[in-house]
Amino acid sequence: QKEVEQDPGPLSVPEGAIVSLNCTYSNSAFQYFMWYRQYSRKGPELLMYTYSSGNKEDGRFTAQVDKSSKYISLFIRDSQPSDSATYLCAIPDYKLSFGAGTTVTVRA
Amino acid sequence: DAGVTQSPTHLIKTRGQQVTLRCSPKSGHDTVSWYQQALGQGPQFIFQYYEEEERQRGNFPDRFSGHQFPNYSSELNVNALWLGDSALYLCASSFSDRGRDIQYFGAGTRLSVL
Repeated sequence: QKEVEQDPGPLSVPEGAIVSLNCTYSNSAFQYFMWYRQYSRKGPELLMYTYSSGNKEDGRFTAQVDKSSKYISLFIRDSQPSDSATYLCAIPDYKLSFGAGTTVTVRA
Repeated sequence: DAGVTQSPTHLIKTRGQQVTLRCSPKSGHDTVSWYQQALGQGPQFIFQYYEEEERQRGNFPDRFSGHQFPNYSSELNVNALWLGDSALYLCASSFSDRGRDIQYFGAGTRLSVL
């Protein structure tokens, strides 16, 4: 069983839509969770990290963790064409275990 | 403040050759990790260096080796290149802060093996 599984996508949404991205993880010992954004042919850029269950907001981005279900989500409100990228969930231990990524395209 | 820098940006090699990739960590960071990212996949952990020693290693063969220098910069070496080694190689640096190992990535080196 993979440590992190991510909904594969791709997703294509109109500008202004809410984007919902999801991952599940296998090890209940994991304590914190991260989302990275990766533009084409670039390195991953840290978007958000969160430690506990519940929601964390940062501008148009909301990260949600449900430790009882081992489920993490990222929501993008009022999506913009500049949000078009691949989004990767990651769980840190001594290394980062990444999901496969979900490619999002926001259509103007 | 410079972020994580990697060189070269692109590299083309042929099967059987050897390659060296370089990474300079973000200022203040002392730990360097290397990842391999195949097209359409998430990054896969290769190994991590701290205090010039390999601290952890992922499921990669001994053809993959590395080094960390006293200034915390690092090299990734790959010997006897295979076609399957074609990928984006990412370096990430971090500084352990109260148990939170937040890793910041460079732009990567794209390696093509022909």
